[in-house]
Formats: sequence, C-alpha cells, structure tokens
Amino acid sequence: AIQLTQSPSSLSASVGDRVTITCRASQDIITTLAWYQQKPGKAPNLLIYDASSLESGVPSRFSGSGSGTDFTLTISSLQPEDVATYYCQQFNSYFTFGGGTKVEIK
Amino acid sequence: EVHLLESGGGLVQPGGSLRLSCAASGFTFSTYAMSWVRQAPGKGLEWVSSISGGGVDTYFADSVKGRFTISRDNAKNTVYLEMNSLRAEDTAVYYCAKGQGYQVLSYFDYWGQGTLVTVSS
Repeated sequence: AIQLTQSPSSLSASVGDRVTITCRASQDIITTLAWYQQKPGKAPNLLIYDASSLESGVPSRFSGSGSGTDFTLTISSLQPEDVATYYCQQFNSYFTFGGGTKVEIK
Repeated sequence: EVHLLESGGGLVQPGGSLRLSCAASGFTFSTYAMSWVRQAPGKGLEWVSSISGGGVDTYFADSVKGRFTISRDNAKNTVYLEMNSLRAEDTAVYYCAKGQGYQVLSYFDYWGQGTLVTVSS
C-alpha cells in the first residue's frame, strides 16, 4: 500500500505569512494527488487536485506543486479563515490520506 | 448544487450491524463513482470503500474487507454501506464522498456532512 507522510504535523504562523506543507509518497504516484482542508466539526473540502490544479472557488492564495513522490501545498498569505487541518490524498492505487497538518494562527 | 446527505449512524454493540445511506442530488448520480471515508474521534481521514458509477466495481480497505459491503441504487440516487461484525475501532464519523469521474480512482470533489457510528457495549 502507498504511504503518505505529511510534515509538519502542526504549525503556527502569523497572518500574512507564507505557509508550506509537504507530502511525501512511498512510491511514484505521478500527479495523482489532492489536498483537502478540514475545519473543526466540518467535512473536508477539496482545495487542489492533480497535484497543482486549483479547485473552482478556492482562493488563489492556495497552490500545489510536485510530482512523483514529493508534493507541496502553499498558502501564500495566511488568513484567519485558513485555520484548519490539511490532508493530502493519493488516488493512484486505491486511496491513502496523509496524517494531516494542523495550521494555527500565532 | 451538489448535495450529499448521510443517514443511518448510531450506537451499536460490538458484533452488530448497521447500514448507512447517502442520498445524492444536484448531479447525474449514475455517472460518478462514490466512496465512504471515515474519521475516528480526534484522528485523521481513512478511506473505507468505493463503488464505480455503474456499481460493478467495488473496492474496500483491508481494515473492513469481508465485513463491509458497498452498493448503490442509481434509480434512487443513493449509495449504501452495509457494516457487519462491527468493532470498537469502527467508531468514527462516516463521510460519503463523490468521485470526480465514473471510474473509482479519482479525487473526491464533494463530501457529505457525515454520520456518527459508535460501537460500544
């Protein structure tokens, strides 16, 4: 089974900061990777698909990059409403989620 | 507007059974794969099962294989998760999620609000 390792598991940053979350796959998954945002008590929400495509309606401060085994989610300017847990997911071979990254405001 | 509404969760004893339903609206249901994803209290997301648009292809996580069954009724725009031989570790919020395409291997573009399953004596 393909494993996904997210880092860091949590972070605290100031409003306006650039935030980067990484996701490493245990084998080559090309670009079959998505990123989701989950706010407390809510269902996950799709942010990025196919590693770098921005889902409709998602603010442009979110971006994704990478291919193969190494991927990145970037928030270019952190906003208070971005407080959430972020998950990567591979859909190359069945499905696997990363462990999550909890983002807080400093 | 896409809408997914799960139902059927509740408290069940270890070894018991439960059937979850997910009623879909706002899209052509039969042309999209559907999945179930769960989240144990305070934990991360875990994929459980998926079914193709036509219902022919089904997939299960190893943790539920042989105990859970997924099915769909395209006439009723509903997907089901039949859960048998339930264990304490199956306690979680179960989300229904819509796939981006007919085949199973795609990302999930819409999610329901979830239904809580608690397995306890």
